[in-house]
Amino acid sequence: EAGVTQFPSHSVIEKGQTVTLRCDPISGHDNLYWYRRVMGKEIKFLLHFVKESKQDESGMPNNRFLAERTGGTYSTLKVQPAELEDSGVYFCASSQGGNTIYFGEGSWLTVV
Amino acid sequence: KQEVTQIPAALSVPEGENLVLNCSFTDSAIYNLQWFRQDPGKGLTSLLLIQSSQREQTSGRLNASLDKSSGRSTLYIAASQPGDSATYLCAVRPGNTGKLIFGQGTTLQVKP
Repeated sequence: EAGVTQFPSHSVIEKGQTVTLRCDPISGHDNLYWYRRVMGKEIKFLLHFVKESKQDESGMPNNRFLAERTGGTYSTLKVQPAELEDSGVYFCASSQGGNTIYFGEGSWLTVV
Repeated sequence: KQEVTQIPAALSVPEGENLVLNCSFTDSAIYNLQWFRQDPGKGLTSLLLIQSSQREQTSGRLNASLDKSSGRSTLYIAASQPGDSATYLCAVRPGNTGKLIFGQGTTLQVKP
């Protein structure tokens, strides 16, 4: 069974550009999460989808970040326009119910 | 506000040694606690999940304990091996949501 997959694995963009990160959760998992780790900080929660609905988006840093999960399957996280402080690792995770949360390999974003 | 602290930040031990990693949290009202492992440049691998009603969980050479009243969890690694070298992360789940609150991690090096 495939785990949580994320694309791209690495991305280098210029300040002001747009980047879209994609996440495919484990098949059958209704819960999908986005987290990120910026340099020197701990991993922090961004938002939580239950199927296609946003359950909790309290961690989204500002309106330059837009997450979608159309159809309740894969999700995208768009950063527009990207700023230098957005550099870091963006993790996607999924779970079924209140059980173990499984993480992907992460999308490593560098904004220059 | 829930805060998670992991001590020490880094640890270096000789192969074969038994070791304990510590995690403390400020609010004892948690749903569960999860220990992860992260290898350099990789994603998070779930090691153990302890529900709030449980005291410990074991998997192979790993044993995680939970003392909610004192806000502490420990990860015990028996007979450490060089392959155990990684960053170990503790995360608490405050309620029946997907929001995990992470510590900064403990980077472990096991020397042959």
